Amino acid sequence: DAGVIQSPRHEVTEMGQEVTLRCKPISGHNSLFWYRQTMMRGLELLIYFNNNVPIDDSGMPEDRFSAKMPNASFSTLKIQPSEPRDSAVYFCASSPWGLAGGRGTDTQYFGPGTRLTVL
Amino acid sequence: QKEVEQNSGPLSVPEGAIASLNCTYSDRGSQSFFWYRQYSGKSPELIMFIYSNGDKEDGRFTAQLNKASQYVSLLIRDSQPSDSATYLCALSGGSYIPTFGRGTSLIVHP
Repeated sequence: DAGVIQSPRHEVTEMGQEVTLRCKPISGHNSLFWYRQTMMRGLELLIYFNNNVPIDDSGMPEDRFSAKMPNASFSTLKIQPSEPRDSAVYFCASSPWGLAGGRGTDTQYFGPGTRLTVL
Repeated sequence: QKEVEQNSGPLSVPEGAIASLNCTYSDRGSQSFFWYRQYSGKSPELIMFIYSNGDKEDGRFTAQLNKASQYVSLLIRDSQPSDSATYLCALSGGSYIPTFGRGTSLIVHP
């Protein structure tokens, strides 16, 4: 299995530009999570999907952030317009959440992350 | 609001020693507890999970859970320089949505 795939790995953009981050979860996993990690705030959960449906987006910082999951194998996180304070590493993680019916199904499998720098 | 507290460190131990990492939490409804390791510039990866009170061993790693006192710990025996990383404690309740601590930086020096 290729694991969780994220693209791009690095993104440098200017303030005000639109940024789109992409994620392909592990095949067969039914849950997908977007996180943001900074030195100041640690690892923050932004939004999670279960069976392609957004369950909780209370962690999304502002209306400038939006996320979609059009199918089981693809998700995007979009920031429009971007600001310097959005600079962080954004991780996507997937999980088999309950599929196996037992313990361990809430384990998170993280992608390599996208390092975003907004100038 | 679930809270997960970890000492940010760094915790410095000599090679071959036992490293002890601790985590306390506020939500008594928490059911699943995880330790993730994150190397600098990399993504978190699962080391161990534990659900029941007591100890769980996996190689050089031992997770300890005490629900009454609301803490979970990770012991690393025979610490190696390659164990130098940040260790994140995480927990989840019935919703399976995890809450992560800020992490403890571990440095194992030769």
